[in-house]
Amino acid sequence: VQLVESGGGLVQPGGSLRLTCAASGFTFSSYEMNWVRQAPGKGLEWISYIRGTGTFTYYADSVRGRFTISRDNAGNSLFLQMNSLSVEDTAVYYCAREDYGLDYWGQGTLVTVSS
Amino acid sequence: DIQMTQSPSTLSASVGDRVSITCRASQSIGNWLAWYQQKPGKAPKLLIYKASTLESGVPSRFSGSGSGTEFTLTISSLQPDDFATYYCQQYNTYLYTFGQGTKLQIK
Repeated sequence: VQLVESGGGLVQPGGSLRLTCAASGFTFSSYEMNWVRQAPGKGLEWISYIRGTGTFTYYADSVRGRFTISRDNAGNSLFLQMNSLSVEDTAVYYCAREDYGLDYWGQGTLVTVSS
Repeated sequence: DIQMTQSPSTLSASVGDRVSITCRASQSIGNWLAWYQQKPGKAPKLLIYKASTLESGVPSRFSGSGSGTEFTLTISSLQPDDFATYYCQQYNTYLYTFGQGTKLQIK
């Protein structure tokens, strides 16, 4: 099992970014997936979930209405579209597979929101 | 939202000690609780799920207990590799939530 995030970087407040998580080593469509973030020096914050079929999604209050989770099961990829970014969104963003807990995590991608 | 509160926030202990970390939920979550270990600069690692089931490959010195609103992670005999930050997470209801973390440091 391997999860590799990409798409992070420096963005100005109010800007957008799209994160990608490339999955391999398992049947991607069979698993629920999540995004979790960690601000510098802070704890873990769950931000979004998507069912294997992509039919159901959930968001933390802090990102609902600004972030959109999606997936491409044919391409074994998970996405997080982030709009209206603020400095409070600065964090390492992890994708994680769910199977009675988050059993596999990517290495994370850093998103820095700054002017 | 369900709030998860861990205690203590910091724990100082020595190699060989038995230590416990507590996680309390603001409402009942059954046994839908996981524990994670995180080392600096690394992704979290799943240790325990469903409150007391040890993830494959995790040493047996780690154990979990509890149900409802109160849960405990116990390390029976601390090893040098165990000094890290530990998080609980509830997955009873969407939206999932993590505890604030417990940093286990060397005394």
